[in-house]
This record gives sequence, C-alpha cells and structure tokens, in this order.
Amino acid sequence: DAKTTQPPSMDCAEGRAANLPCNHSTISGNEYVYWYRQIHSQGPQYIIHGLKNNETNEMASLIITEDRKSSTLILPHATLRDTAVYYCIVRVADNYGQNFVFGPGTRLSVLP
Amino acid sequence: DADVTQTPRNRITKTGKRIMLECSQTKGHDRMYWYRQDPGLGLQLIYYSFDVKDINKGEISDGYSVSRQAQAKFSLSLESAIPNQTALYFCATSDRLAGEQFFGPGTRLTVL
Repeated sequence: DAKTTQPPSMDCAEGRAANLPCNHSTISGNEYVYWYRQIHSQGPQYIIHGLKNNETNEMASLIITEDRKSSTLILPHATLRDTAVYYCIVRVADNYGQNFVFGPGTRLSVLP
Repeated sequence: DADVTQTPRNRITKTGKRIMLECSQTKGHDRMYWYRQDPGLGLQLIYYSFDVKDINKGEISDGYSVSRQAQAKFSLSLESAIPNQTALYFCATSDRLAGEQFFGPGTRLTVL
C-alpha cells in the first residue's frame, strides 16, 4: 500500500470548515483513498473513500487532486464532537494480500 | 445493538497468564480483523480472516493466536501475556465486496 503523509495536528474553530490534507504521491492507479477517524480511544469510524472523483456524503467531502497525489477531507461545519484523530489510508478496495495500514494520523482539535 | 461487539471491554491480568479476547458481529460480513493500538500511535494488524477456514498473520502476530469459530465470531488469544502487550485491541469486519472496515469499541488490556 502507498504511504501517506499527514500533519500531526490541526486546530479549527467551531462552525468553520475543517480541511485536512493528505499526501500520497506514490499512489497506484487502482488504489482508493480512505478516511477514518478515531474519537478518544473508541473504535475507528469510516468517513468516506474515493478513487478519482470528488465524493460527498452526510459526514464530509473528499477532494482528490487530478494527479491523485494528494487529497483533502473537508468537514463543512466542524463541531466539538468532530475533535478526533483522522487517518488517511490508501489501498486497493478488495485486495486479499493487504489490509488497511493506519499511520499516526492528524489530531484535529475543534475549538469553541 | 452494536454491530461489532468485543468482550471484555477492560481486562487487567498478570504476566504469564492466558487471555482470550472475543469479537462478535451481526453485520454478516465474511472478513474479520484484530488490531492493536499503543498510546499515541496508529493501529497495527495482528491477524485477519477472510472466511471461517481462512487465517492470516498480520504485521505483529508473534505472541498471539486466533480462532474463527463461526462467520460471526473471531477470538484473539495471548497464550502467555507479557507487559508489552498492554494496549487497546480492536476487532473489525468488512464485506468482501466493499472496502470499508467497521470497528468494535475496543478492549483495553493491561498486563502487569
């Protein structure tokens, strides 16, 4: 699986958009970008994933650059409950030989 | 009711004791996983299973064993616990055709 690079921490004001970057310059053509988050020692929670096109769901939006070497997770109106560690992972969607590799992630603090 | 459950949620044990952590899921997924997480770090894969007759080692399988008793149940054993196995342990499941994994609430294990 391709490696990812994320900033170790970020702050965001409550009610504002939180934009979390991820670099994955060695991503392969068949690898998806996944985002998970972990709220204070709870089990990680799936947020969103995408291949090439931008994706949006009820939790967030995922913007992937045209060359696919980086992406941004956007939480449109951050709340205090969005304070968590956010993990960016790249991998093939259905690969019998490999699984998710969770790095240290970005610790997002939403401030009142 | 939670889709992925883990028992016990907390356990304190002594060096040399045998410990079993259990995971059950009601999602009907074929695939199940065990991860450990050390403080401030990402998750590391211990073992994974793609169906009842399939068991595979992950990154850090030494000192651990698993049993897939049924599609819905996947147990992790520490045959002789040691202090550096003190960690948070997460079970996860995924569908064969989809990419995302669903995590249990975790078991906090302390080995004295």
